[in-house]
Amino acid sequence: QQQVKQSPQSLIVQKGGIPIINCAYENTAFDYFPWYQQFPGKGPALLIAIRPDVSEKKEGRFTISFNKSAKQFSLHIMDSQPGDSATYFCAASNRRGGSQGNLIFGKGTKLSVKP
Amino acid sequence: DSGVTQTPKHLITATGQRVTLRCSPRSGDLSVYWYQQSLDQGLQFLIQYYNGEERAKGNILERFSAQQFPDLHSELNLSSLELGDSALYFCASSVDGFQETQYFGPGTRLLVL
Repeated sequence: QQQVKQSPQSLIVQKGGIPIINCAYENTAFDYFPWYQQFPGKGPALLIAIRPDVSEKKEGRFTISFNKSAKQFSLHIMDSQPGDSATYFCAASNRRGGSQGNLIFGKGTKLSVKP
Repeated sequence: DSGVTQTPKHLITATGQRVTLRCSPRSGDLSVYWYQQSLDQGLQFLIQYYNGEERAKGNILERFSAQQFPDLHSELNLSSLELGDSALYFCASSVDGFQETQYFGPGTRLLVL
């Protein structure tokens, strides 16, 4: 129940395309859903995050869609660029979980944007 | 640059040895987290410290231990190393103990031969 399932494992799109990465969870106590971006040789960096009281959040070209009833959330990258090529991780946590509220990460999606 | 520093960047050692990884959090952040990243397991949470005290524990082996010092830097000690401990070890920090908005360091790549 603590898992976050992420798909696809890898994704190749053309420049300008809209890659979509999906995540699903089981634990209904999760109340914070961030996405991290990781370039080779670097640590993950927080990209965008959403709470379950909203269904969508946009920051620049990045959008999170959240479906509370389906327990799913996804990341859309508008007008993707070769510089967006990286590994993307979704995560979830329960802010009220106290000592059990650590971030649970998906396995990651390796995105490649072709010029 | 996240403001979190980790040393060393690379570490090569032999099975059975003991190593110490060091992390300095961002200025003002009280909480430090340690993660292990391997190809097959992804990012696994190991342990969290908040203002010097252990706050949360994840999939940390008994051979591993950590601590956070009064100046808030943290060290992760890995002992009796095995080949399977080869991985990237990340430290992250956050302002408070609620584990949101974590800023990750550049990581330490550990290779156990």
